Amino acid sequence: DVYLVESGGGLVQPGKSLRISCEGSGFTFDDYGMHWVRQTPGKGLEWVSGISWDSVNILYADSVKGRFTISRDNAKKSLYLQMNSLTIEDSAVYYCAKDDDGGRSAPYFFESWGQGTLVTVSS
Amino acid sequence: DSQMTQSPSSVSASVGDRVTITCRASQDISRWLAWYQQTSGKAPKLLIYAASNLQNGVPSRFSGTRSGTDFTLTISSLQPEDFATYFCQQATGFPPVSFGGGTRVEIK
Repeated sequence: DVYLVESGGGLVQPGKSLRISCEGSGFTFDDYGMHWVRQTPGKGLEWVSGISWDSVNILYADSVKGRFTISRDNAKKSLYLQMNSLTIEDSAVYYCAKDDDGGRSAPYFFESWGQGTLVTVSS
Repeated sequence: DSQMTQSPSSVSASVGDRVTITCRASQDISRWLAWYQQTSGKAPKLLIYAASNLQNGVPSRFSGTRSGTDFTLTISSLQPEDFATYFCQQATGFPPVSFGGGTRVEIK
């Protein structure tokens, strides 16, 4: 079975930084693209960022471009999201999601998801 | 940019009912659309990809169709475990990914 476990969420002040992580198991991590998707409590889903298996294709939503950085360490089977200059609007549950292929190009379908980590931005 | 308009936002139904949810794309997205189910407090689960392909392990009462820029998820006979929120997602890459607003399927 595929497992994705996020960590690193918490309470952070506006303007500060936070890095969240996702560890994968049960599949060949370095064969697949990976993504971050967030969800505000009681609201919908917003795709945040994606990275191909080899880190060549990296994509960001306009809402986080220039503030967030996605990266991965295939040796550690881990995905990361460095979030800088956080605002209240960034408060959400952040899910990592496994692409259904290497993620070098569209389409991007998310065949497995973690349980999420909550990020709360508040003073 | 490809925006997704999902309807209805909620639907009340009974066990055994046929339920239909629709997503309309603002432009041609070919068949690059997926459907997800999210039950309370859990992560989304992929049901359908590429408009009509059933993900492994998903019951056959779920089906997806496409007509131009209109996409439909149908649950042929609603089961108790199907009461959840459903999201569509366009996967074309332009923008990379966007989701519909969601449809909550509630017990009548």
